[in-house]
Amino acid sequence: DAGVIQSPRHEVTEMGQEVTLRCKPISGHDYLFWYRQTMMRGLELLIYFNNNVPIDDSGMPEDRFSAKMPNASFSTLKIQPSEPRDSAVYFCASSFWRARSYEQYFGPGTRLTVT
Amino acid sequence: GNSVTQMEGPVTLSEEAFLTINCTYTATGYPSLFWYVQYPGEGLQLLLKATKADDKGSNKGFEATYRKETTSFHLEKGSVQVSDSAVYFCAPMFSGGYNKLIFGAGTRLAVHP
Repeated sequence: DAGVIQSPRHEVTEMGQEVTLRCKPISGHDYLFWYRQTMMRGLELLIYFNNNVPIDDSGMPEDRFSAKMPNASFSTLKIQPSEPRDSAVYFCASSFWRARSYEQYFGPGTRLTVT
Repeated sequence: GNSVTQMEGPVTLSEEAFLTINCTYTATGYPSLFWYVQYPGEGLQLLLKATKADDKGSNKGFEATYRKETTSFHLEKGSVQVSDSAVYFCAPMFSGGYNKLIFGAGTRLAVHP
């Protein structure tokens, strides 16, 4: 399997612009997670889905952030409008049940820079 | 509430030295326990896990034992290599949490030749 695929790998945008990050989970995985990683705050869980349905979005920082999962093989995280403090690495992860627990597998991340 | 505390870094070792990175958790139940590793510029990779008390997870020479009595899951390796330089995250998965992982702050390991 190709693993979790994220695009783009790098995104540089100006403040106020809309940003869309994309994720393709591993086939057969039934959970999908979006995380944000910064030096100051570490790794933060933003939102996660089970069978394409959002379960918990309490980590989404503000209404400027939204996430969708229209089908089992695709999810997006959108920031509109973007701000410099949104600069971070955004990870997507998917999980499935294996050997008595769920296991999460991470994508390579999207490094977002908002100027 | 449920939480995890991880040893602060950075940890700097010479090649072939013994490694221990401490991890403790507080929980109302019995979580599954994971260690993830993040190499520079990459995503997190699952390193090992243990799902019940006294289980030992192992991979790539790393080991960690699920200690219920001390609520700990310390990561060890007998002889580190330069290629082990990375950030290591301890992450319990608490029961009833829809398989959410709670990540520690991460411990940076630097191994010198």
